[in-house]
Amino acid sequence: DQQVKQNSPSLSVQEGRISILNCDYTNSMFDYFLWYKKYPAEGPTFLISISSIKDKNEDGRFTVFLNKSAKHLSLHIVPSQPGDSAVYFCAASARGAQKLVFGQGTRLTINP
Amino acid sequence: DADVTQTPRNRITKTGKRIMLECSQTKGHDRMYWYRQDPGLGLRLIYYSFDVKDINKGEISDGYSVSRQAQAKFSLSLESAIPNQTALYFCATSDLGFGGYTFGSGTRLTVV
Repeated sequence: DQQVKQNSPSLSVQEGRISILNCDYTNSMFDYFLWYKKYPAEGPTFLISISSIKDKNEDGRFTVFLNKSAKHLSLHIVPSQPGDSAVYFCAASARGAQKLVFGQGTRLTINP
Repeated sequence: DADVTQTPRNRITKTGKRIMLECSQTKGHDRMYWYRQDPGLGLRLIYYSFDVKDINKGEISDGYSVSRQAQAKFSLSLESAIPNQTALYFCATSDLGFGGYTFGSGTRLTVV
């Protein structure tokens, strides 16, 4: 049972435009959400996070939005750059669990 | 040097062989995790440990065992490798505040 779902295996975006990556979750106990970025032959690296007490968190070109009623979060990248081409994983944690549940990942390709 | 080091980086082994994947960290984190990555399935938790005397099964622990030899070392063993254990394996650490994980670069394991 996939508790965190990224339904788009891949996404292609023009350089300079906005990239929007989506993530849905089913476990209402999740209260902390993170996005990780992964390049080939490297481990995932932390990108941005959001607590369930917020509905938006921004860090430079990256913004994460959380819609608790819909159990949905999204990552916006504006403007998209070629270096953003990577696999992006959404992850979630329940209070006290101290471990992350990951989605399937979305491969983002930024075209020049 | 990397904060989280995994050895080996690549390994090809035969069905039925015992194999150990090693992870060491210099972050000083208490929490350590083993995940595997498969195409279309994302990252799935195999085992995790909150300190040297604490070992917990994750969602896919069958066929695997672990050893926490020290705060800084967490090894994953496949007692009798089978082809469907072919995957990319990641070790990760986190601190008590659970600000997210620091991942190693991964071990690509192929069982033939």
